[in-house]
Amino acid sequence: DAKTTQPTSMDCAEGRAANLPCNHSTISGNEYVYWYRQIHSQGPQYIIHGLKNNETNEMASLIITEDRKSSTLILPHATLRDTAVYYCIVRPNAGNMLTFGGGTRLMVKP
Amino acid sequence: EAQVTQNPRYLITVTGKKLTVTCSQNMNHEYMSWYRQDPGLGLRQIYYSMNVEVTDKGDVPEGYKVSRKEKRNFPLILESPSPNQTSLYFCASSPPYGELFFGEGSRLTVL
Repeated sequence: DAKTTQPTSMDCAEGRAANLPCNHSTISGNEYVYWYRQIHSQGPQYIIHGLKNNETNEMASLIITEDRKSSTLILPHATLRDTAVYYCIVRPNAGNMLTFGGGTRLMVKP
Repeated sequence: EAQVTQNPRYLITVTGKKLTVTCSQNMNHEYMSWYRQDPGLGLRQIYYSMNVEVTDKGDVPEGYKVSRKEKRNFPLILESPSPNQTSLYFCASSPPYGELFFGEGSRLTVL
């Protein structure tokens, strides 16, 4: 069973912010939230991760709710090259069973 | 350059003919894992390894074997491939509880 729930698909206009939600209502205290994306059939690429504080790097921002049951990945200025499938996963601090789920197919449109 | 290398990238084989997909990483990562990806099903974990000689089943281990004799290598073995193992396979590695680095994938077709 996937431990995360994401919308199947989303559209975003080029240059606008893309906000991708993820529900992880059964997350436990020692589990991190990770985001990856996959362009076509290439190997998934790491984007960002966090435990409970909001995080930002050169690619994106991650907003985690106070109860940690959901998070949002923000691509501040989406480009056509951001068209991909985005996966949200939770990774425990012990043990490494990882379930990716179906991800969100983001389509950035001109 | 830090990378995870899989071979072969593409393979067409026949039912029952044993094959091995190799995976090698040059980052001295303890953790390695294998995934398969099928249309509409996302990435499903086959096996993972926390370190040398330590392996565990993932979500879909049936029909696969793995070994971890060296830290850098984690081969995926299909003893008797069947058509339902036709898929895109990814190997990944990471430091303990860190970000995963994925290989470029191996597309396997079993006839």
